[in-house]
Amino acid sequence: QVQLVESGGGLVKPGGSLRLSCAASGFTFSDYYMNWIRQAPGKGLEWVSHISDSGITTYYADSVKGRFTISRDNAKNSLYLQMNSLRAEDTAVYYCARATRGAHSSGYFYYFDYWGQGSLVTVSS
Amino acid sequence: DIQMTQSPSSLSASVGDRVTITCRTSQSISRFLNWYQQKPGKAPKLLIYAASSLQNGGPSRFSGTGSGTDFTLTISSLQPDDFATYYCQQSYTSPQTFGQGTKLEI
Repeated sequence: QVQLVESGGGLVKPGGSLRLSCAASGFTFSDYYMNWIRQAPGKGLEWVSHISDSGITTYYADSVKGRFTISRDNAKNSLYLQMNSLRAEDTAVYYCARATRGAHSSGYFYYFDYWGQGSLVTVSS
Repeated sequence: DIQMTQSPSSLSASVGDRVTITCRTSQSISRFLNWYQQKPGKAPKLLIYAASSLQNGGPSRFSGTGSGTDFTLTISSLQPDDFATYYCQQSYTSPQTFGQGTKLEI
């Protein structure tokens, strides 16, 4: 069965760095776009970043652009999020999520069909 | 960025009720709209994709309609397990934005 397991969260001071990992199993990892999505305490969901199946294409939310870097290692079935220059507002549970693609007459659409359990990142002095 | 507006933000209902949640987008997104259910302390779970397709294993009491800018999620007969927060999400363009959520309470 499909499993996504995040790790690497924790407490970090403002301005610090952290690297999240997501270990994937139960599917052909290299066939799927992967995403990071976060949720601040008591708040809604915020999409953070995605990376293409090959790892060539990446995209970031404006709120993290220039500070976060998404990457993947298809040989290790792993997704990563390097987070630098962390701010208090980056405090959140970070989920990795698989994006499945479907085809429509208007083009391709995506949906997040599998999610990890989440990894809490707390940015505080 | 495409703005997503869900209504209502919260909703009180009873077991057996029919419930409708609305999601409106700031520009047309064809049918590229997904719905998720989230329970406290858990990851979101996909319910509906491409506006109206029920995810495998999803209960048939959940249905989605809409296209363009206006979408709805309907629960035909609320069950105790359905009390949760629901989010819409557009996949028409990046950044893929979520609605602010609708909390469904007893």
